[in-house]
Amino acid sequence: NAGVTQTPKFQVLKTGQSMTLQCAQDMNHEYMSWYRQDPGMGLRLIHYSVGAGITDQGEVPNGYNVSRSTTEDFPLRLLSAAPSQTSVYFCASSEGTDYEQYFGPGTRLTVT
Amino acid sequence: GENVEQHPSTLSVQEGDSAVIKCTYSDSASNYFPWYKQELGKRPQLIIDIRSNVGEKKDQRIAVTLNKTAKHFSLHITETQPEDSAVYFCAASTSGTYKYIFGTGTRLKVLA
Repeated sequence: NAGVTQTPKFQVLKTGQSMTLQCAQDMNHEYMSWYRQDPGMGLRLIHYSVGAGITDQGEVPNGYNVSRSTTEDFPLRLLSAAPSQTSVYFCASSEGTDYEQYFGPGTRLTVT
Repeated sequence: GENVEQHPSTLSVQEGDSAVIKCTYSDSASNYFPWYKQELGKRPQLIIDIRSNVGEKKDQRIAVTLNKTAKHFSLHITETQPEDSAVYFCAASTSGTYKYIFGTGTRLKVLA
């Protein structure tokens, strides 16, 4: 099992550009989520999904979109990048919210 | 909204001493309390978790205690070793709400 995979590992964007961060899991987990990690602020939930076709907002959703067309994939789209979106992004999956979350290796994004 | 406070933000201990990290949660319906360890440049990984029907859980040198009345839980690491140096995150979740709330993290340094 590859677990949770993310691409790319690093990305530099200019303000206003858009891009998609990819996330995939091979554990057949229904619950998937995206977090951003900033110094001193822990892990903040951006969006989450409880199954294919179902997504919802977390605590910091502005500027991001998600979709869940399959159980395996949960891409995160930045619509118009801003310097405030410079962060490390982690995707995670689990059997449910009261179970262990398995994190991907992260994507370090810099917006200039 | 729901909140998890974590203290201290940094903690330095001598090798062989004990370390204690404390978290307080706001949602009295929270029923799952995991702890994650994140080494520098790596993804967070679960080290121990506890559910609301249990007051204490132990796994070798690490233990977690839960006080539901006071709405706080703690991580205890005994006989600390240099490889315990990392950032530790607590979290709280509530069945049916589909949200994990993380604390802001504690950077633990074990001095040799």
